[in-house]
Amino acid sequence: DGGITQSPKYLFRKEGQNVTLSCEQNLNHDAMYWYRQDPGQGLRLIYYSQIVNDFQKGDIAEGYSVSREKKESFPLTVTSAQKNPTAFYLCASSIPGRGYTFGSGTRLTVV
Amino acid sequence: GQQVMQIPQYQHVQEGEDFTTYCNSSTTLSNIQWYKQRPGGHPVFLIQLVKSGEVKKQKRLTFQFGEAKKNSSLHITATQTTDVGTYFCADFYNNNDMRFGAGTRLTVKP
Repeated sequence: DGGITQSPKYLFRKEGQNVTLSCEQNLNHDAMYWYRQDPGQGLRLIYYSQIVNDFQKGDIAEGYSVSREKKESFPLTVTSAQKNPTAFYLCASSIPGRGYTFGSGTRLTVV
Repeated sequence: GQQVMQIPQYQHVQEGEDFTTYCNSSTTLSNIQWYKQRPGGHPVFLIQLVKSGEVKKQKRLTFQFGEAKKNSSLHITATQTTDVGTYFCADFYNNNDMRFGAGTRLTVKP
């Protein structure tokens, strides 16, 4: 079955450390997205990519970076510049005009 | 980007009661999508509304898009414990980007 795989499911980050969250899809979708969800809140867009080798900042891109070297992969790096990274991170993909397919998410905690 | 406001923030119902969540905007919405997120899970796409005044049904769920395309609603008839979760509306904003409402968290007492 096609879908989106996010790994790891849980991630712990030390102060000042960069960490990378993986997102892989086999749906052949062009567009991919990263969202951040804080407890009891909605989803805020971090970055999105409409096509390979191109990506755009969302509403809260500061302290994050992405790459899109392959259609299937859209990894997110949480850098040390992100001062409050503890959150639930969701990756999604879509084709135009259709609903998003989300991965199962990564819970990042700063220790 | 335009804000999509969702109300209520929380709703607690007795099993068998109905439930409605509303999505409102001060500007015209493009397309509305609805998602459900179970506790501890990820959002799952439910439906998309495109046309003014559109009404769609999925079993006990009824989705409506306002005539002026500035509001939408999701109504669940006779809630069940399996309906528990947070329901999000989302509007297409720009180039396949989407703006999510803050969600309505539904709890159902058996």
